[in-house]
Amino acid sequence: SQTIHQWPATLVQPVGSPLSLECTVEGTSNPNLYWYRQAAGRGLQLLFYSVGIGQISSEVPQNLSASRPQDRQFILSSKKLLLSDSGFYLCACNKGDSYEQYFGPGTRLTVT
Amino acid sequence: LAKTTQPISMDSYEGQEVNITCSHNNIATNDYITWYQQFPSQGPRFIIQGYKTKVTNEVASLFIPADRKSSTLSLPRVSLSDTAVYYCLVGDLSGGGGFKTIFGAGTRLFVKA
Repeated sequence: SQTIHQWPATLVQPVGSPLSLECTVEGTSNPNLYWYRQAAGRGLQLLFYSVGIGQISSEVPQNLSASRPQDRQFILSSKKLLLSDSGFYLCACNKGDSYEQYFGPGTRLTVT
Repeated sequence: LAKTTQPISMDSYEGQEVNITCSHNNIATNDYITWYQQFPSQGPRFIIQGYKTKVTNEVASLFIPADRKSSTLSLPRVSLSDTAVYYCLVGDLSGGGGFKTIFGAGTRLFVKA
């Protein structure tokens, strides 16, 4: 089965600083990849999804961007963080013919 | 994308059966229903999926009526470790566009001793 790696596990960044979160997938090829954000006590918000290398769809307008330079690598970036970017960021994947998404361990981001 | 509505929270006791109902009045013909479980500071974990009638696996059952406008996740004989947030999702994988998902606020289940 698929395994998702995310790093770092926790991150504290000042407002206005850049961000780069990385997600890699093992155990499958050509997965659909997703970035979610979860605010404290809230549900998950889908930020980006990708069905292939270089193919990124954005669900929510914001100061974040995503890239997929390799088949099993998904990167979430920001040039200047806002306080509102704080949250729990989760990477997920599924195969094109499966409704079961596998989630990574997440990165807890605190913007100060 | 069909919107889902679930109770905000539920309480239960160990050993009881728990039924969590999700409303999805605008479900489309090609949409499937999936349920996830999430513990604090962890990513959600897939529990079960279904299209219609009843689906059962080793951890839960999913009941879907004929009109598919709602679904009920049934957890048999819950234990303290089942305390978590449960999410109902509705979506369609056809068309090659990925599975664009909407996770609502979910249902917080508290299992008491």
